[in-house]
Amino acid sequence: EVQLLESGGGLVQPGGSLRLPCAASGFTLNSFGMGWVRQAPGKGLEWVSAIGDNSGSTYLADSVKGRFTVSRDNSRNTLYMEMNSLRADDTAVYYCARSSGWWAFDIWGQGTMVIVSS
Amino acid sequence: QSALTQPASVSGFPGQSITISCTGTSSDVGAYNYVSWYQQHPAKAPKLMIYGVTNRPSGVSNRFSGSKSGNTASLTISGLQAEDEADYYCSSFTRGSTVVFGGGTKLTVL
Repeated sequence: EVQLLESGGGLVQPGGSLRLPCAASGFTLNSFGMGWVRQAPGKGLEWVSAIGDNSGSTYLADSVKGRFTVSRDNSRNTLYMEMNSLRADDTAVYYCARSSGWWAFDIWGQGTMVIVSS
Repeated sequence: QSALTQPASVSGFPGQSITISCTGTSSDVGAYNYVSWYQQHPAKAPKLMIYGVTNRPSGVSNRFSGSKSGNTASLTISGLQAEDEADYYCSSFTRGSTVVFGGGTKLTVL
């Protein structure tokens, strides 16, 4: 079964850092582009980042540029998002998702909650 | 990058058809055929319903269809069913090599 499983969420103070892993199963991660999408409590979806398939090109939303990075470990079949200088408005459920091509996300994880608060 | 514009809510009776619009600009919706639509039920992950403006993933009902004219994309759901009640989001690739989502539309089946 094709699945994505995020982890690493939790409570972090403003200015702090977190790394979110997303473990893929049922498919080979480096054959697909991948992305991260977040959803603040009671709000809509916001695209955060993406990484190309074998090319490894990365793309970031302006709201996180310079603070977040996206990477993958093909040997572990795992996607990562490193989040630094976290702010209160980064509080959200973070979903990792597989790109089917067409810049569309066809497989989603269950999400992991990140709360930035003192 | 500003969010794509969607109506906050739409409603319809079972069996009816509804259309949700998604308005962008010549830098996103109007520039590429990379418009997608997602369905999200409460406390669930989004589900891809339409990609590439008009394409349905395997397993998605043919009651769902997509189209585009200029800078506006649309999702039409025909033969409304109670299970269609959910939030719907459009998204588009942009000239800035980013992805932008719409603000979301709450569909109520009356």
